[in-house]
Amino acid sequence: EPEVTQTPSHQVTQMGQEVILRCVPISNHLYFYWYRQILGQKVEFLVSFYNNEISEKSEIFDDQFSVERPDGSNFTLKIRSTKLEDSAMYFCASSEYREIPLHFGNGTRLTVT
Amino acid sequence: QKEVEQNSGPLSVPEGAIASLNCTYSDRGSQSFFWYRQYSGKSPELIMFIYSNGDKEDGRFTAQLNKASQYVSLLIRDSQPSDSATYLCAVKTNAGKSTFGDGTTLTVKP
Repeated sequence: EPEVTQTPSHQVTQMGQEVILRCVPISNHLYFYWYRQILGQKVEFLVSFYNNEISEKSEIFDDQFSVERPDGSNFTLKIRSTKLEDSAMYFCASSEYREIPLHFGNGTRLTVT
Repeated sequence: QKEVEQNSGPLSVPEGAIASLNCTYSDRGSQSFFWYRQYSGKSPELIMFIYSNGDKEDGRFTAQLNKASQYVSLLIRDSQPSDSATYLCAVKTNAGKSTFGDGTTLTVKP
């Protein structure tokens, strides 16, 4: 069964550094999402992306965050200047149509020290 | 009011019993409703989805939706220890954003 793949599985970075989290959505999917989950807390929506542009973003997704689909397969989340509170599991998800369920990747655990 | 609210849990049931998980949502324009299972340290995994009022059954799982009451539930029959996980209710609006509840942790005791 097709999968959403995320790399790396774990990223450690120092506060103030830039990080890029990478995702390869399922190939025929058109809608792409980033979610995050701080340890022990709920899954939080960050951003949705369709037709090469952001379709919706949450209040968490401030100017420090950006997303890009640099080619036909990758979908990236960039955090420009990481803060301690950015430490979380970041999940990429995709769906073929807007209404149907999300397929989640295995996540990237980001640790900011 | 939270957009998606789940019974706080944790919920503990004996093996073989029925586990009942509940979720309410605030946006009347919500169209799609999902239940995900999340094991500790893992990503959410889809269990059931439902779009229309009524019941939808898939094996041991039944999702129930009542749009008038803005309520969706998940019943797990013949609960197994492997069902022990956190269950996430997610609601998708017309805008396409999925909002998750806090989750209910279920423990099935052998």
